[in-house]
Amino acid sequence: QQQVKQSPQSLIVQKGGISIINCAYENTAFDYFPWYQQFPGKGPALLIAIRPDVSEKKEGRFTISFNKSAKQFSLHIMDSQPGDSATYFCAARKTNQGAQKLVFGQGTRLTINP
Amino acid sequence: DAGITQSPRHKVTETGTPVTLRCHQTENHRYMYWYRQDPGHGLRLIHYSYGVKDTDKGEVSDGYSVSRSKTEDFLLTLESATSSQTSVYFCAISEPGQGYTFGSGTRLTVV
Repeated sequence: QQQVKQSPQSLIVQKGGISIINCAYENTAFDYFPWYQQFPGKGPALLIAIRPDVSEKKEGRFTISFNKSAKQFSLHIMDSQPGDSATYFCAARKTNQGAQKLVFGQGTRLTINP
Repeated sequence: DAGITQSPRHKVTETGTPVTLRCHQTENHRYMYWYRQDPGHGLRLIHYSYGVKDTDKGEVSDGYSVSRSKTEDFLLTLESATSSQTSVYFCAISEPGQGYTFGSGTRLTVV
């Protein structure tokens, strides 16, 4: 049972275009929604995150849009660059005794063509 | 990644043998986690620790055990490795109010 569903599995975008990755969740107990970026041979690194009481968060070229009623959130990468080529994971957090238990989506392999 | 190291980076082992993976942190973070990463599944939580000798199960804990005898070390043990445990294993650390920091991973192949 996948608690966080991510799409698409792979995405090819031209340089300068907009990359959009979508996620949907089921559990309303999730209290924090981060996105992670992973390069080959490396661990995931936090890219941007949002709380469910906010509908949008922007950091540079990266924006999260959050729709609480639909239980969906998405990552938008504006002016996509070849250096953005990586695997992206959405996640949702449940907190238990201070521990942050993350549930990850399946991942999206993003390729930016020069 | 700064402050968190995993060892070994790569390991090939035979079915039925015990395997221990190590996560070492220098950040003095209270919380430590073990995830496995598999294509089509993202990352899934195996076990986590909320202090020395305090551990709990994640969503895919069957076949795995953990130990944390010191703040800085979190060990993941496969008592009898199976081919289904071939995966990339990531350790992560966190503190309240901060996000995860992941290690660089251990690629384990069970033949």
